[in-house]
Formats: sequence, C-alpha cells, structure tokens
Amino acid sequence: DAGVIQSPRHEVTEMGQEVTLRCKPISGHNSLFWYRQTMMRGLELLIYFNNNVPIDDSGMPEDRFSAKMPNASFSTLKIQPSEPRDSAVYFCASSKGQGTYEQYFGPGTRLTVT
Amino acid sequence: GQQLNQSPQSMFIQEGEDVSMNCTSSSIFNTWLWYKQEPGEGPVLLIALYKAGELTSNGRLTAQFGITRKDSFLNISASIPSDVGIYFCAGRGSSASKIIFGSGTRLSIRP
Repeated sequence: DAGVIQSPRHEVTEMGQEVTLRCKPISGHNSLFWYRQTMMRGLELLIYFNNNVPIDDSGMPEDRFSAKMPNASFSTLKIQPSEPRDSAVYFCASSKGQGTYEQYFGPGTRLTVT
Repeated sequence: GQQLNQSPQSMFIQEGEDVSMNCTSSSIFNTWLWYKQEPGEGPVLLIALYKAGELTSNGRLTAQFGITRKDSFLNISASIPSDVGIYFCAGRGSSASKIIFGSGTRLSIRP
C-alpha cells in the first residue's frame, strides 16, 4: 500500500510569494494532520482534519497560513505571503481514526524562503 | 498546555550496547507512541501503547506505558549502526486525535 504522499519534496521561493504544499493521505484513513518541524521548535501540529472537516487549527501560526481538505484523498497547506521564518520541513500525516491514534507520516516538504 | 519531557537529548554509545530513553508528562496520557526519524525522512512509527502497564516489543525494541500514565520508556537491545537516528515519543491526552511530540533523543553509535 502507498504511504502518505507529499509534493513537492523541496520548495525554494522568494519572500512574498505564495506557497502551496500538497498531501495525499493513506487510503481509508479519515484523519489528516499538518506539522512543521524546525530545529528550534521541533515538531509542531499546525492543523488537523477528521472526515475532511478542520477540527483544531490552533497551531496555525497566523492568517498567512491556510489549509483545506476538499475530499478524503487530498489536502493543501498554503502560505501567502511567505516569509523567511516560514522555512522549515512540513509534514503531512494520516490516521485511520475510529479508536486508533497511530499517525503515519509522509516524507515531508522542505521549504526555503529567501 | 500538555508538555512532554524527553531524555536524554542525545546519546553516543558503543555498538552492541543497550539503550534506554524515556518521556515524562505532568498530565495523564491515554496513548503513547514511539517514532524514529532518519535524515531527510518523516518519522516512522515503531510502537504504539494503549494501556497503563503495557509492555510491547518490536524486534530489539521494547516500550512500556508507565503505570502512572505519565511516562513511557523505550529500550533498544544490542544496538547496531542502523539504529542511528532521532527517536521521538508522542502522547495523546484527552483530545480525540491530537498527539504531542517530545523533543527527541538523538542516538549516535560508535562502530
């Protein structure tokens, strides 16, 4: 079975540009999570969805960040406008839910904002 | 909010040695998860624990859910070079799906 798929794997952009990160969860999983990982702050949960509905977005740093899940097999995390401090590795993870809480991570997108 | 304290931050050991690391929390957790992350990759789930006192093994790895529900331990027996990486604990409290990650233990091995 395919794992969580993320694209792109690497993104380099200039400050002020819009960035869109994409995620395809594991088929049959009904919870999806977006994380950010930096050396200073470790792994931080940004937002998570259950059955395509955003449940907790308290980790989203500010209004420049937005996330959508239009269907069970696709989610996006958008940063507009991007800033150098947004440079990090962004992970998507999915979970089957229904009483299990094991999250499976994608390979991540390394974002560099210059 | 809930926080996890993971220790040690780093370990530099001899190949063949056993390894122990742990996580503690000030509040009760209902689920403990242990992950390993290698450079350039996402965290990979190693062991999941759901009941206080539970002891679970995955090959040379053994993890335990502390009886107080505020801690968990991961042991690696007879370490080998491919055990190198960062090990994260993660815990779920009262939230339905949200888990919180520890800061990680970086394991390095002398050949």
